[in-house]
Amino acid sequence: GAVVSQHPSRVICKSGTSVKIECRSLDFQATTMFWYRQFPKQSLMLMATSNEGSKATYEQGVEKDKFLINHASLTLSTLTVTSAHPEDSSFYICSALVGGNFNTGELFFGEGSRLTVL
Amino acid sequence: SQQGEEDPQALSIQEGENATMNCSYKTSINNLQWYRQNSGRGLVHLILIRSNEREKHSGRLRVTLDTSKKSSSLLITASRAADTASYFCATQNQGGKLIFGQGTELSVKP
Repeated sequence: GAVVSQHPSRVICKSGTSVKIECRSLDFQATTMFWYRQFPKQSLMLMATSNEGSKATYEQGVEKDKFLINHASLTLSTLTVTSAHPEDSSFYICSALVGGNFNTGELFFGEGSRLTVL
Repeated sequence: SQQGEEDPQALSIQEGENATMNCSYKTSINNLQWYRQNSGRGLVHLILIRSNEREKHSGRLRVTLDTSKKSSSLLITASRAADTASYFCATQNQGGKLIFGQGTELSVKP
């Protein structure tokens, strides 16, 4: 199957700093990627839809200035958590749509990035 | 936003037994998917069932979909200790978004 790579897999940062998480589609082009966050023992919450070459679409309640998403190429989307605080500590997972068609395409997920803000 | 609920939230069984997990959702869907997640890891896609399908099989997995009741079930037959994981259903609408249920934590004891 298609491979989606996330980096870093784990990151620890101080409160107030910004952290960038990368999501790459390794063997296919992804015009659409999705970003999720997951708190311990909870489900995945969709944060935003990232479209190559255009602005991301954020879900209700997600601060776009807090979570900056850039999808500059067909193989890379980045999520930057700006001015991180301890409550931003979470597991962030991206997924990429293969095939470009929501009706027939399949989503592949990265391994996730665990962010810990001290 | 969460699409729906899964039950049970946690399920503990012995190796060899069958495990059944249920998922309910609220809106119309294009398809429903089941995923598995080992602790602290990414998601693994298990099976996709389209809205016009009622049942699908893949190895030891059997998925049913009842669109009139807006519910789905995942059956894992002859469970193994390696099946221990969290299982999530997720619905995909016409817009392509994949919205996840709350998940079922399955523990298979050897």
